Amino acid sequence: GAVVSQHPSWVICKSGTSVKIECRSLDFQATTMFWYRQFPKQSLMLMATSNEGSKATYEQGVEKDKFLINHASLTLSTLTVTSAHPEDSSFYICSVTNEQFFGPGTRLTVL
Amino acid sequence: DAKTTQPTSMDCAEGRAANLPCNHSTISGNEYVYWYRQIHSQGPQYIIHGLKNNETNEMASLIITEDRKSSTLILPHATLRDTAVYYCIVRVAGNQAGTALIFGKGTTLSVSS
Repeated sequence: GAVVSQHPSWVICKSGTSVKIECRSLDFQATTMFWYRQFPKQSLMLMATSNEGSKATYEQGVEKDKFLINHASLTLSTLTVTSAHPEDSSFYICSVTNEQFFGPGTRLTVL
Repeated sequence: DAKTTQPTSMDCAEGRAANLPCNHSTISGNEYVYWYRQIHSQGPQYIIHGLKNNETNEMASLIITEDRKSSTLILPHATLRDTAVYYCIVRVAGNQAGTALIFGKGTTLSVSS
């Protein structure tokens, strides 16, 4: 199965700053990766589908200009939270492959 | 994808079998039953999946009823490390690229000594 890493594992930032989260597929070339977020005591919510070499597909209610996704290679997708605010504090998780192997998640806290 | 219904929470004593039910009465013929779990503050972990036959691997067993409208995930000897949220998801086979998983609320399994 695919091994997926995320960096950083946790980040604290000030309101108004931008934060980049990386998702790497270590042993699998992924044309598609998925980004989820999870608020405390809630389930995972799909944010967007990241497609290598093309634009990401965002779920309804997710602002594409706020959550910038770049999938420039078959092993790396990045999610940039622009002008982060406290309500963006969440657990961000990526996944790859059809069997949906998941990264360990990134805990974002916006002060 | 078909909707699933799971109990909100379950308790299990360490060393005993944990049986987690899932109802998926609207499942289609080409949809599989997948199980994942999420330990606190970690990404979800794939456990097992099946179409209609019972399946077993090193982690668990999956029992699917003959009419496929429900299934049970069995952890034969639960340990404290099995405490997690367990998600039952019904979806078309994983060989179709580009389809994300849709998570419900899952079952919170608490294993105690």
